[in-house]
Amino acid sequence: GENVEQHPSTLSVQEGDSAVIKCTYSDSASNYFPWYKQELGKRPQLIIDIRSNVGEKKDQRIAVTLNKTAKHFSLHITETQPEDSAVYFCAASRSGYSTLTFGKGTMLLVSP
Amino acid sequence: GAVVSQHPSWVICKSGTSVKIECRSLDFQATTMFWYRQFPKQSLMLMATSNEGSKATYEQGVEKDKFLINHASLTLSTLTVTSAHPEDSSFYICSAQAGTQETQYFGPGTRLLVL
Repeated sequence: GENVEQHPSTLSVQEGDSAVIKCTYSDSASNYFPWYKQELGKRPQLIIDIRSNVGEKKDQRIAVTLNKTAKHFSLHITETQPEDSAVYFCAASRSGYSTLTFGKGTMLLVSP
Repeated sequence: GAVVSQHPSWVICKSGTSVKIECRSLDFQATTMFWYRQFPKQSLMLMATSNEGSKATYEQGVEKDKFLINHASLTLSTLTVTSAHPEDSSFYICSAQAGTQETQYFGPGTRLLVL
Protein backbone atom coordinates (compact mmCIF):
# COMPACT_ATOMS: atom_id res chain seq x y z
CA GLY A 1 0.00 0.00 0.00
CA GLU A 2 0.84 3.68 -0.07
CA ASN A 3 3.31 5.15 2.42
CA VAL A 4 3.63 8.90 2.92
CA GLU A 5 6.58 10.39 4.76
CA GLN A 6 6.44 14.00 5.94
CA HIS A 7 9.23 16.29 7.14
CA PRO A 8 9.94 18.12 9.30
CA SER A 9 7.80 17.10 12.25
CA THR A 10 8.09 20.59 13.73
CA LEU A 11 8.99 23.88 12.10
CA SER A 12 9.48 27.23 13.80
CA VAL A 13 9.75 30.41 11.76
CA GLN A 14 9.59 34.14 12.33
CA GLU A 15 6.62 36.07 11.05
CA GLY A 16 7.21 37.06 7.46
CA ASP A 17 9.56 34.17 6.71
CA SER A 18 8.73 31.35 4.32
CA ALA A 19 7.95 27.81 5.43
CA VAL A 20 8.41 24.64 3.43
CA ILE A 21 7.04 21.22 4.30
CA LYS A 22 8.02 18.18 2.26
CA CYS A 23 6.37 14.84 1.65
CA THR A 24 7.37 11.74 -0.24
CA TYR A 25 5.11 8.92 -1.37
CA SER A 26 5.76 5.37 -2.40
CA ASP A 27 2.95 4.45 -4.82
CA SER A 28 3.77 5.72 -8.30
CA ALA A 29 0.08 5.35 -9.20
CA SER A 30 -0.94 8.04 -6.71
CA ASN A 31 -2.23 11.09 -8.52
CA TYR A 32 -4.02 13.28 -5.99
CA PHE A 33 -2.19 15.17 -3.25
CA PRO A 34 -4.12 17.38 -0.81
CA TRP A 35 -2.78 19.43 2.07
CA TYR A 36 -4.80 19.94 5.24
CA LYS A 37 -4.37 22.45 8.06
CA GLN A 38 -5.53 21.45 11.51
CA GLU A 39 -5.69 23.89 14.37
CA LEU A 40 -5.67 22.51 17.90
CA GLY A 41 -8.87 20.62 18.67
CA LYS A 42 -10.43 21.44 15.32
CA ARG A 43 -11.16 19.67 12.07
CA PRO A 44 -8.58 19.31 9.30
CA GLN A 45 -9.32 21.86 6.58
CA LEU A 46 -8.26 21.49 2.99
CA ILE A 47 -5.99 24.37 2.04
CA ILE A 48 -4.71 23.31 -1.36
CA ASP A 49 -4.48 20.20 -3.51
CA ILE A 50 -2.70 19.16 -6.67
CA ARG A 51 -3.20 16.46 -9.23
CA SER A 52 -0.47 14.67 -11.07
CA ASN A 53 -1.14 16.37 -14.38
CA VAL A 54 0.38 19.63 -13.08
CA GLY A 55 3.67 20.43 -11.41
CA GLU A 56 2.74 23.47 -9.39
CA LYS A 57 -0.32 25.18 -8.03
CA LYS A 58 -0.57 28.48 -6.20
CA ASP A 59 -3.24 30.17 -4.11
CA GLN A 60 -2.16 33.52 -2.69
CA ARG A 61 0.55 32.81 -0.08
CA ILE A 62 0.30 29.05 -0.45
CA ALA A 63 1.80 26.93 -3.19
CA VAL A 64 2.32 23.24 -3.76
CA THR A 65 4.87 21.65 -6.06
CA LEU A 66 4.91 18.08 -7.30
CA ASN A 67 7.78 16.04 -8.69
CA LYS A 68 6.30 12.80 -10.02
CA THR A 69 9.63 11.36 -11.01
CA ALA A 70 11.04 11.72 -7.53
CA LYS A 71 7.67 11.04 -5.93
CA HIS A 72 7.69 14.03 -3.68
CA PHE A 73 5.56 17.10 -3.19
CA SER A 74 5.99 20.19 -1.06
CA LEU A 75 3.92 22.90 0.57
CA HIS A 76 5.29 26.44 0.47
CA ILE A 77 3.89 29.21 2.64
CA THR A 78 5.26 32.69 2.05
CA GLU A 79 5.02 35.74 4.30
CA THR A 80 3.96 33.59 7.23
CA GLN A 81 1.65 35.01 9.85
CA PRO A 82 0.96 33.87 13.44
CA GLU A 83 -2.43 32.56 12.34
CA ASP A 84 -0.62 30.11 10.05
CA SER A 85 0.46 28.27 13.20
CA ALA A 86 -1.14 24.81 13.09
CA VAL A 87 -0.43 21.22 12.19
CA TYR A 88 -0.22 20.57 8.46
CA PHE A 89 -0.86 17.15 6.95
CA CYS A 90 -0.04 16.00 3.46
CA ALA A 91 -1.87 13.07 1.91
CA ALA A 92 -1.94 10.98 -1.24
CA SER A 93 -4.45 8.84 -3.07
CA ARG A 94 -5.00 7.39 -6.52
CA SER A 95 -7.92 7.29 -8.89
CA GLY A 96 -10.34 4.53 -8.16
CA TYR A 97 -9.28 4.37 -4.55
CA SER A 98 -11.07 6.86 -2.38
CA THR A 99 -8.93 6.51 0.73
CA LEU A 100 -6.26 9.04 1.61
CA THR A 101 -2.94 8.08 3.14
CA PHE A 102 -1.77 10.83 5.47
CA GLY A 103 1.67 11.91 6.52
CA LYS A 104 2.41 12.20 10.22
CA GLY A 105 1.99 15.94 10.23
CA THR A 106 4.14 19.04 10.70
CA MET A 107 3.58 21.41 13.57
CA LEU A 108 4.27 24.91 12.26
CA LEU A 109 4.85 27.68 14.78
CA VAL A 110 5.05 31.24 13.51
CA SER A 111 6.43 33.65 16.08
CA PRO A 112 5.52 37.35 15.94
CA GLY B 1 -20.45 24.50 0.35
CA ALA B 2 -19.18 21.04 1.38
CA VAL B 3 -20.07 21.29 5.04
CA VAL B 4 -19.88 18.26 7.27
CA SER B 5 -21.33 18.22 10.78
CA GLN B 6 -20.69 15.79 13.57
CA HIS B 7 -22.62 15.16 16.75
CA PRO B 8 -21.96 15.14 19.62
CA SER B 9 -18.85 17.30 19.79
CA TRP B 10 -17.81 15.66 23.01
CA VAL B 11 -19.05 12.86 25.21
CA ILE B 12 -18.09 11.41 28.55
CA CYS B 13 -19.34 7.96 29.38
CA LYS B 14 -18.80 5.13 31.80
CA SER B 15 -16.85 2.05 30.86
CA GLY B 16 -19.06 -0.59 29.30
CA THR B 17 -21.58 1.76 27.73
CA SER B 18 -22.08 2.33 24.01
CA VAL B 19 -21.70 5.67 22.30
CA LYS B 20 -23.14 6.70 18.94
CA ILE B 21 -21.56 9.45 16.84
CA GLU B 22 -23.35 10.95 13.86
CA CYS B 23 -21.75 12.42 10.77
CA ARG B 24 -23.83 14.42 8.32
CA SER B 25 -23.10 16.08 5.00
CA LEU B 26 -25.22 19.23 5.09
CA ASP B 27 -25.14 20.53 1.54
CA PHE B 28 -24.07 17.63 -0.62
CA GLN B 29 -24.66 13.94 -1.02
CA ALA B 30 -21.83 11.87 0.33
CA THR B 31 -21.43 8.62 -1.52
CA THR B 32 -18.52 7.72 0.68
CA MET B 33 -17.80 8.60 4.28
CA PHE B 34 -14.73 7.85 6.33
CA TRP B 35 -14.12 7.46 10.03
CA TYR B 36 -10.80 8.39 11.55
CA ARG B 37 -9.32 8.25 14.98
CA GLN B 38 -6.73 10.73 16.14
CA PHE B 39 -4.62 10.53 19.28
CA PRO B 40 -2.97 13.67 20.70
CA LYS B 41 -0.15 14.98 18.55
CA GLN B 42 -0.59 12.19 16.04
CA SER B 43 -1.87 11.83 12.52
CA LEU B 44 -5.28 10.74 11.35
CA MET B 45 -5.72 6.98 11.45
CA LEU B 46 -8.34 5.64 9.08
CA MET B 47 -10.67 3.23 10.81
CA ALA B 48 -13.17 2.42 8.08
CA THR B 49 -14.70 3.49 4.81
CA SER B 50 -18.44 3.38 4.34
CA ASN B 51 -20.50 3.60 1.20
CA GLU B 52 -24.18 4.33 1.32
CA GLY B 53 -26.24 1.17 1.48
CA SER B 54 -23.36 -1.25 1.83
CA LYS B 55 -21.21 -2.66 4.57
CA ALA B 56 -18.26 -0.66 5.77
CA THR B 57 -14.72 -1.64 4.89
CA TYR B 58 -12.56 -1.74 7.99
CA GLU B 59 -8.84 -1.15 8.14
CA GLN B 60 -6.60 -3.85 9.45
CA GLY B 61 -6.64 -4.02 13.22
CA VAL B 62 -10.00 -2.25 13.64
CA GLU B 63 -12.63 -4.48 15.22
CA LYS B 64 -15.83 -4.26 13.22
CA ASP B 65 -17.91 -5.64 16.06
CA LYS B 66 -16.65 -2.95 18.38
CA PHE B 67 -16.91 -0.03 16.00
CA LEU B 68 -20.24 -0.39 14.25
CA ILE B 69 -20.72 1.78 11.19
CA ASN B 70 -23.99 2.46 9.44
CA HIS B 71 -24.37 4.56 6.30
CA ALA B 72 -28.09 4.45 5.78
CA SER B 73 -28.45 7.52 3.59
CA LEU B 74 -26.38 9.75 1.35
CA THR B 75 -26.13 12.37 4.09
CA LEU B 76 -25.71 10.36 7.27
CA SER B 77 -23.23 7.88 8.65
CA THR B 78 -23.03 6.74 12.25
CA LEU B 79 -20.24 5.21 14.29
CA THR B 80 -21.17 3.30 17.42
CA VAL B 81 -18.45 2.46 19.89
CA THR B 82 -19.81 -0.58 21.67
CA SER B 83 -18.87 -1.44 25.25
CA ALA B 84 -16.47 1.46 25.41
CA HIS B 85 -13.36 1.22 27.57
CA PRO B 86 -10.87 3.88 28.65
CA GLU B 87 -8.49 2.90 25.84
CA ASP B 88 -11.21 3.92 23.36
CA SER B 89 -10.91 7.52 24.55
CA SER B 90 -9.84 9.54 21.54
CA PHE B 91 -10.80 12.17 18.99
CA TYR B 92 -13.05 10.63 16.33
CA ILE B 93 -13.39 12.51 13.05
CA CYS B 94 -15.51 11.71 10.03
CA SER B 95 -15.07 12.93 6.50
CA ALA B 96 -17.27 12.83 3.44
CA GLN B 97 -16.66 12.60 -0.25
CA ALA B 98 -19.06 13.60 -2.98
CA GLY B 99 -19.49 11.39 -6.00
CA THR B 100 -16.22 10.54 -7.72
CA GLN B 101 -14.37 13.55 -6.36
CA GLU B 102 -11.27 12.71 -4.36
CA THR B 103 -11.58 15.63 -1.95
CA GLN B 104 -12.57 14.73 1.59
CA TYR B 105 -14.33 17.25 3.79
CA PHE B 106 -13.99 16.73 7.49
CA GLY B 107 -16.44 17.03 10.33
CA PRO B 108 -15.47 18.94 13.48
CA GLY B 109 -14.73 15.76 15.41
CA THR B 110 -16.05 14.12 18.55
CA ARG B 111 -13.95 13.91 21.65
CA LEU B 112 -14.74 10.73 23.57
CA LEU B 113 -13.67 10.21 27.16
CA VAL B 114 -14.43 6.85 28.72
CA LEU B 115 -14.14 6.75 32.48
